[in-house]
Amino acid sequence: SAVISQKPSRDICQRGTSLTIQCQVDSQVTMMFWYRQQPGQSLTLIATANQGSEATYESGFVIDKFPISRPNLTFSTLTVSNMSPEDSSIYLCSVDLRDNEQFFGPGTRLTVL
Amino acid sequence: GDSVTQMEGPVTLSEEAFLTINCTYTATGYPSLFWYVQYPGEGLQLLLKATKADDKGSNKGFEATYRKETTSFHLEKGSVQVSDSAVYFCALTHAGNMLTFGGGTRLMVKP
Repeated sequence: SAVISQKPSRDICQRGTSLTIQCQVDSQVTMMFWYRQQPGQSLTLIATANQGSEATYESGFVIDKFPISRPNLTFSTLTVSNMSPEDSSIYLCSVDLRDNEQFFGPGTRLTVL
Repeated sequence: GDSVTQMEGPVTLSEEAFLTINCTYTATGYPSLFWYVQYPGEGLQLLLKATKADDKGSNKGFEATYRKETTSFHLEKGSVQVSDSAVYFCALTHAGNMLTFGGGTRLMVKP
């Protein structure tokens, strides 16, 4: 398995501001994923982040709203830009280690007022 | 595209009852199948997996068998405990790609 940490664990933000979420892994991984879990809902993939290339976004998510960085094989950031209350969710990063197993970070619980 | 359908919850059981949470999927080829569990206030944990037809994944008393003929991966446990109360997600993936999740099933176990 892997040890995955996320910062911050939770935050309360004002609408119109931006928040950057960090994801740190204790081993080098090629693929990292960012998911959103809206209240009481399942997980939806935002984007796939590979080191050395642009992130690949899923339908309904755009780079201007959710810019992602992947500067090395152990770290990634997701920014939620120009936030609105509809962005209130849990944001989770995950890594694909082996045999298609994905391990998840503890999540960042975001509330936008 | 791929999709996963789970039985809707909440599922409420008494301690030591038998648990079944149904999961069916639609996908091309031969995906890998997973069950994840999310305890209150926590992130997702991998509970068990199966990578090919007729494989049985098991962990912590939970089991699920990859049934290609019925495109199903039902989660079972013979005797649930209060500590099993959580949300359970069925998911699938093709090699190196995103996970596709079901809607989640909340399990509540009463003493």
